[in-house]
Amino acid sequence: GAVVSQHPSWVICKSGTSVKIECRSLDFQATTMFWYRQFPKQSLMLMATSNEGSKATYEQGVEKDKFLINHASLTLSTLTVTSAHPEDSSFYICSASMTSGFTDTQYFGPGTRLTVL
Amino acid sequence: LAKTTQPISMDSYEGQEVNITCSHNNIATNDYITWYQQFPSQGPRFIIQGYKTKVTNEVASLFIPADRKSSTLSLPRVSLSDTAVYYCLAGYSTLTFGKGTMLLVSP
Repeated sequence: GAVVSQHPSWVICKSGTSVKIECRSLDFQATTMFWYRQFPKQSLMLMATSNEGSKATYEQGVEKDKFLINHASLTLSTLTVTSAHPEDSSFYICSASMTSGFTDTQYFGPGTRLTVL
Repeated sequence: LAKTTQPISMDSYEGQEVNITCSHNNIATNDYITWYQQFPSQGPRFIIQGYKTKVTNEVASLFIPADRKSSTLSLPRVSLSDTAVYYCLAGYSTLTFGKGTMLLVSP
């Protein structure tokens, strides 16, 4: 149980284009979803937190107009990287929680490798 | 947010017990302690979570002293497949990943 999927698992795009990444909780309803970014040999960095039906809360330094997050349902959140540039190339990971707090576990997706040429 | 400190790396051999200690001196009353395992190019995988004393599941044990300023993840009889990065997190409303501990298990 508590499976989170991401699609696509990897994507290559040209500079200036937009890329959408989907995060789905397959067997539970996710009140809260989180988006992380991880550069090679580094730890995960929280980008934003989203609750179903409301605007995402972005971490300091994360451009909300560049990284658009939509949490339209209790099982789906999307991250759109707009006007992607090579420096946006990274490993993007989502996680989902059954409640709005962290006393319940966050379940992570397998990640999406984004390469911007 | 409780900042955590872990050893950068640890080495072990197959069949040994591995204990990874995490320091979280400024842990808040509401914070839970959670450990995750991450393999390269994969999302983290939940290992165990606790608030105080001892928690055990089928893969690990978590020991938390009364002052909760540290915690120890215990992996019994590790195998080569346990080679991974292990993250300790202490939080309630936000999770902050530290650098983690790279565990290398050798034959």
